[in-house]
Amino acid sequence: AQTVTQSQPEMSVQEAETVTLSCTYDTSESDYYLFWYKQPPSRQMILVIRQEAYKQQNATENRFSVNFQKAAKSFSLKISDSQLGDAAMYFCAYSSSTSGTYKYIFGTGTRLKVLA
Amino acid sequence: NAGVTQTPKFQVLKTGQSMTLQCAQDMNHEYMSWYRQDPGMGLRLIHYSVGAGITDQGEVPNGYNVSRSTTEDFPLRLLSAAPSQTSVYFCASRGGGKRTDTQYFGPGTRLTVL
Repeated sequence: AQTVTQSQPEMSVQEAETVTLSCTYDTSESDYYLFWYKQPPSRQMILVIRQEAYKQQNATENRFSVNFQKAAKSFSLKISDSQLGDAAMYFCAYSSSTSGTYKYIFGTGTRLKVLA
Repeated sequence: NAGVTQTPKFQVLKTGQSMTLQCAQDMNHEYMSWYRQDPGMGLRLIHYSVGAGITDQGEVPNGYNVSRSTTEDFPLRLLSAAPSQTSVYFCASRGGGKRTDTQYFGPGTRLTVL
């Protein structure tokens, strides 16, 4: 069975600095998607970035980028120039359709604090 | 285009009561799912549907029922609420045919069972 692990329950970063959130996953499938979702205090789940496993190029979205290491099954999120609005829970998620079930599997989350 | 909507936003039940959490999406998405979120445990899949008339169990289905009579709606029913079902519930939908695509979430329902 697939698993997603986020080993950092909480992280802190100074405003304008860079922080990296870690995520590892386990799967025997070759075709899958990886996601980072942000959950601010409003509780809304917001997609931050997605990565398709068959693409070697790391995905980027403005200040957010990933370091996707397929062989190591690692998918970290880098936030550059951190802003107060980045403070939230961040969830890593895995999804694959090759098993035919189309399920998402989430990690337990990392709470990011941004210090002014 | 409202995306994924959920009602109610908050609910308090007594043990043994029943209720239905409503979920609707206006994006013509085939796939819909229900998750529960508990502290320290991330989101766990309760039930999901790959199209109207088709549902299946997720990781934590006990105590919950679902049905999918239309593409738009995917209600979650608690038949006899228990304190262990106190949680935040999210509905999500996704398009994408045979390839996995981005999942969109509703705003969540905070349920407390006394």
